[in-house]
Amino acid sequence: GAVVSQHPSWVICKSGTSVKIECRSLDFQATTMFWYRQFPKQSLMLMATSNEGSKATYEQGVEKDKFLINHASLTLSTLTVTSAHPEDSSFYICSAPWISGRSDTQYFGPGTRLTVL
Amino acid sequence: AQSVTQLGSHVSVSEGALVLLRCNYSSSVPPYLFWYVQYPNQGLQLLLKYTSAATLVKGINGFEAEFKKSETSFHLTKPSAHMSDAAEYFCAVTHSGGYQKVTFGTGTKLQVIP
Repeated sequence: GAVVSQHPSWVICKSGTSVKIECRSLDFQATTMFWYRQFPKQSLMLMATSNEGSKATYEQGVEKDKFLINHASLTLSTLTVTSAHPEDSSFYICSAPWISGRSDTQYFGPGTRLTVL
Repeated sequence: AQSVTQLGSHVSVSEGALVLLRCNYSSSVPPYLFWYVQYPNQGLQLLLKYTSAATLVKGINGFEAEFKKSETSFHLTKPSAHMSDAAEYFCAVTHSGGYQKVTFGTGTKLQVIP
């Protein structure tokens, strides 16, 4: 099946710094990728839709200036958490749809755990 | 609008017993439904999906789910629980497949008692 990777798998940073998280589709191209956030003991909440070659679409309540998304190629989307604060500590997961023949589904990355001190 | 409701945030079963995790959906158009499993500190793994073909869907690790339109349900079952099944399970819904937003349920944590 399709594989989606994320880097780094975990990161600890100081409050006020910026952190970049990469999401890659390893064996397929993805013009669209999705970014989710999962707080402890909660479900995944969609943050934004990343579109290759155009601006990302953010969900209501998600600050686009704080969570910068760049979809620079057909296999890479990045999420940059700017001026991170402790309340941004969370598990960030990306997904990419894989369309092949009669099959289409989303494949999820392994997630990135961000801890802001 | 689309949503899923998972009944029971925690479910405990004995090893070898039937596993039943409940999911009800709400969708204004024919839905695509999924079950995902998440192990601690890991991403999501697709267990199975319903995409308007057969109503009984078989997935990996012996799991299956049945789409019941009349009950707007998509419950996940496994005849005999194994210790390795202990994880968090998420039901999810989307429209027309991969390019659409996926809406997740709140999750059900499955505990398997030896």
